Amino acid sequence: NAGVTQTPKFRILKIGQSMTLQCTQDMNHNYMYWYRQDPGMGLKLIYYSVGAGITDKGEVPNGYNVSRSTTEDFPLRLELAAPSQTSVYFCASSLRTGTNSPLHFGNGTRLTVT
Amino acid sequence: GQQLNQSPQSMFIQEGEDVSMNCTSSSIFNTWLWYKQDPGEGPVLLIALYKAGELTSNGRLTAQFGITRKDSFLNISASIPSDVGIYFCAGQRTTDSWGKFQFGAGTQVVVTP
Repeated sequence: NAGVTQTPKFRILKIGQSMTLQCTQDMNHNYMYWYRQDPGMGLKLIYYSVGAGITDKGEVPNGYNVSRSTTEDFPLRLELAAPSQTSVYFCASSLRTGTNSPLHFGNGTRLTVT
Repeated sequence: GQQLNQSPQSMFIQEGEDVSMNCTSSSIFNTWLWYKQDPGEGPVLLIALYKAGELTSNGRLTAQFGITRKDSFLNISASIPSDVGIYFCAGQRTTDSWGKFQFGAGTQVVVTP
């Protein structure tokens, strides 16, 4: 099983450019999440979705947007890239909330904004 | 958002030694998860815990859900070179109404021959 697939794996952006980080899962999970990982810090939630058509902000949503048109896909959009958005981005999914529903992560997108 | 206190930050151990790390919080949790992250890869789930006092093993790994529900620990026995990586905890608080997780900053494990 592919699980959670993220593309691209690496990207370098210039300040002010935009891009979309792709995420797809084939586990029919209801919940999907975007996290960023900065050195020495725990993962921080950017946006999440509890199902197709439903999205909401996490802890650090500024500068990002998401959409969830299907159960499988949850793309993350950066409209005007800034150096503070240099980070590793992880998409994750879970079947539901509660017992026996751990997070499954993709392999990450390493983004540098210069 | 609140993050978990994970310690130690890093460990340098010799092959064959045991490793122990823990996560603590002032909040009460109903789920504890332990992940391993290899360089350039995404976190991989090692052990999931759902009940206070629960002790679960996965090969040489053992994790426990603390009785107070505010902490969890992970042990690695008889370490081998491929145990190198970053281990981190994640927990879901009882006060969170959906799949919102808190994360530790990670414990970097280095194993020397």
